[in-house]
Amino acid sequence: GAVVSQHPSWVICKSGTSVKIECRSLDFQATTMFWYRQFPKQSLMLMATSNEGSKATYEQGVEKDKFLINHASLTLSTLTVTSAHPEDSSFYICSADRQFSGNTIYFGEGSWLTVV
Amino acid sequence: AQSVAQPEDQVNVAEGNPLTVKCTYSVSGNPYLFWYVQYPNRGLQFLLKYITGDNLVKGSYGFEAEFNKSQTSFHLKKPSALVSDSALYFCAVRDPVMGNQGGKLIFGQGTELSVKP
Repeated sequence: GAVVSQHPSWVICKSGTSVKIECRSLDFQATTMFWYRQFPKQSLMLMATSNEGSKATYEQGVEKDKFLINHASLTLSTLTVTSAHPEDSSFYICSADRQFSGNTIYFGEGSWLTVV
Repeated sequence: AQSVAQPEDQVNVAEGNPLTVKCTYSVSGNPYLFWYVQYPNRGLQFLLKYITGDNLVKGSYGFEAEFNKSQTSFHLKKPSALVSDSALYFCAVRDPVMGNQGGKLIFGQGTELSVKP
């Protein structure tokens, strides 16, 4: 199956700092990538849709200035959590829409962010 | 608006017994339906999908799902459960508003499957 790589898997950062999470489609091109946030034992909450070469579309209630998304190429999207606070601690998961795959979206392994 | 419901937070099954994880949907138009599995501290793995065609869809690891239009259901099934099937299962519907690529996935709340030896 298609492979989506997410890095880092785990990251700890201090309050007030910024942290970047990368999402790469390793063996396919992805014009669209999605970023989710997940709390333990809960469903995934869509944060934003990232389109290559254009601005991301954020879901209602998600601060675009806090969660910066860049999709500079067909294989890479990044999520930067700016001025992180402890309440931003969560599991972040990206996914990529594989072109011509019959509408299947493939997911990365997720990134645990802990803000101390 | 598209929506998906998984009525059971948890399903408990004995190893070797058949399992069913339920999913119902509400969509306008033809549904694009998916099942994903999530193991602890991992991302989601694609199991199977229904786009069109046969109502019975076969997927990875021996799982299958039946699309039932009249009941608006897409239940996940497996004839004989394994302990290693224990995980969190998500049903999802894809919003087909963005042309051929489709839109975002809308997830159900998830069902935790526990298979005991």
